[in-house]
Amino acid sequence: QSVLTQPPSVSGAPGQRVTISCTGTSSNIGAGYDVHWYQQLPGTAPKLLIYGNYNRPSGVPGRFSGSKSGTSASLAISGLQAEDEADYYCQSYDNTLSGSWVFGGGTKLTVL
Amino acid sequence: QVQLQESGPGLVKPSETLSLTCSVSGGSIYNGDFYWSWLRQPPGKGPEWIGYIYYTGGTYFNPSLKSRLTMSIDTSKNQFSLTLKSVTAADTAVYFCSRGDGALQDRAFDIWGQGKMVTVSS
Repeated sequence: QSVLTQPPSVSGAPGQRVTISCTGTSSNIGAGYDVHWYQQLPGTAPKLLIYGNYNRPSGVPGRFSGSKSGTSASLAISGLQAEDEADYYCQSYDNTLSGSWVFGGGTKLTVL
Repeated sequence: QVQLQESGPGLVKPSETLSLTCSVSGGSIYNGDFYWSWLRQPPGKGPEWIGYIYYTGGTYFNPSLKSRLTMSIDTSKNQFSLTLKSVTAADTAVYFCSRGDGALQDRAFDIWGQGKMVTVSS
């Protein structure tokens, strides 16, 4: 069971907009730590998609956007494309025990 | 640009020690801006952070793995390594090395190696 909770799957048709939620607690997202998002295509390593809640690394299309509020964060993908079909993971820091970096269980995005 | 590459055995027997090395190219590991990290991903699950090592040799480990972990860094070879002792089937996963960037707890993992599948089985 992951520290950060994500829906197992979401889907959308090409051109549509989808959002993926990431729910935490007062010891991670709610404590004010940044949320980052990763995209993982089948058989590859995760790729940093959003950092610092809403910033995009160079090369990531503007169709991808992030937000954070309270104990939750969201990743939005607009203008869905077939190449966006992948697993998406959120990540933050959790200050329980000695503290560690934690991930969500992942959301499988299917482009219909 | 900076690239990372994991190497090591893909099969380890139960109760033995898992050892992996990450080779860094395209940039120096002797850089105080980054934290050189290991993560793993069991089949069908999300990634799990294992620990990191700083260029000074300082380390910080996931509390759940701390008692079995050792990490080292060789700045002359631009490599860092992971050893995990007393492995069980639960340690079967794809192991990634990664570069941690950012301030303190708000660190993101901005560059990843391609991953090394490690299976624990007799």
